[in-house]
Amino acid sequence: DTGVSQDPRHKITKRGQNVTFRCDPISEHNRLYWYRQTLGQGPEFLTYFQNEAQLEKSRLLSDRFSAERPKGSFSTLEIQRTEQGDSAMYLCASAAAAPDNEQFFGPGTRLTVL
Amino acid sequence: KQEVTQIPAALSVPEGENLVLNCSFTDSAIYNLQWFRQDPGKGLTSLLLIQSSQREQTSGRLNASLDKSSGRSTLYIAASQPGDSATYLCAVRMDSNYQLIWGAGTKLIIKP
Repeated sequence: DTGVSQDPRHKITKRGQNVTFRCDPISEHNRLYWYRQTLGQGPEFLTYFQNEAQLEKSRLLSDRFSAERPKGSFSTLEIQRTEQGDSAMYLCASAAAAPDNEQFFGPGTRLTVL
Repeated sequence: KQEVTQIPAALSVPEGENLVLNCSFTDSAIYNLQWFRQDPGKGLTSLLLIQSSQREQTSGRLNASLDKSSGRSTLYIAASQPGDSATYLCAVRMDSNYQLIWGAGTKLIIKP
């Protein structure tokens, strides 16, 4: 399967701990997105990369959140000093260059902060 | 600020019926619109993408339409099946922005 993959699929952590998630996009896609989704809501945009450059970052992303895409392939999303409000599904998507920019999503990482 | 609304939030219909899901948006200057399906606890599967210059797209039993001027899109599902049960979300991409702006979804239940 050459779709978008995310690891881990589930993460349970205690408040105050740091967590890191990984996303591997479709190999020929140069665009990568992170979203967060809480129960019963649509996803909320967090950040966007084109190749290794982080081009956009939501104001929702506090200083405790950081994302990287060092070689323009996989990406990591780190949350420091987790809070209960960080509990959500974290979704990664990738897309090829324009014109369609159709986004393809991974299965998500479900984070539970106790 | 773009806002995307999906009504109803939930819909239950008998198997075999044709149905329409609605998506509305406040700013008509969209680049494209995508419809997604999400199964419980799972990621999102792209169903159809409509460019701003297009009026509709079809894939199998699914047909999505777009009316930019009225800020509306519909997803038509023909001959519904229990396997169609899922949450359906629409999302728009604006001209000058790369992110998708999402509706909250319609939870669809198809009763056997």
